[in-house]
Amino acid sequence: GQNIDQPTEMTATEGAIVQINCTYQTSGFNGLFWYQQHAGEAPTFLSYNVLDGLEEKGRFSSFLSRSKGYSYLLLKELQMKDSASYLCAVRDSNYQLIWGAGTKLIIKP
Amino acid sequence: IAGITQAPTSQILAAGRRMTLRCTQDMRHNAMYWYRQDLGLGLRLIHYSNTAGTTGKGEVPDGYSVSRANTDDFPLTLASAVPSQTSVYFCASSKTGTGGDEQYFGPGTRLTVT
Repeated sequence: GQNIDQPTEMTATEGAIVQINCTYQTSGFNGLFWYQQHAGEAPTFLSYNVLDGLEEKGRFSSFLSRSKGYSYLLLKELQMKDSASYLCAVRDSNYQLIWGAGTKLIIKP
Repeated sequence: IAGITQAPTSQILAAGRRMTLRCTQDMRHNAMYWYRQDLGLGLRLIHYSNTAGTTGKGEVPDGYSVSRANTDDFPLTLASAVPSQTSVYFCASSKTGTGGDEQYFGPGTRLTVT
């Protein structure tokens, strides 16, 4: 079967750095996405990785290792507004997105 | 309209009733999707459409149907609602269904079946 694993919840301090991990087992791989979802709102796109390595976009970076079935999202200089759920999704061989259950990130002052 | 709109925002529905959730996008995206999101579970794909006139089944299609008569609209119908269909429903679209095209999500419909 297809599976995306992420930690259920993480806590971090304002101004710090946090790394959210995602491991996946899917039928085929055509890219990995990270989305942010604030409570009661729709998911919004953060990043896309299809090749191994690090993609940096401002305070957010995303890393991919296809051989290990592993990705992480790195958030730097955490702000209170970063409190949200972070969703990992893999595009499978049918080009459909398989979603993890999300990691709820709590930022404390 | 800018982006994707969904209607209604929320609905309480009696079991056995028929219900259509509406979704409209103005970005001229070819691909559209319907997901449901339940607590503790990832988004699950119900149905999708890669282009107007075509539809496909996702992971959890039973009890739902869709149509794609034109590029902009992608309604989701529950023929006879059951309590297990209580969920938040998101419509999404992307330029195509491949590559790095991100999916844009509507605001969601919160449906409660009693």
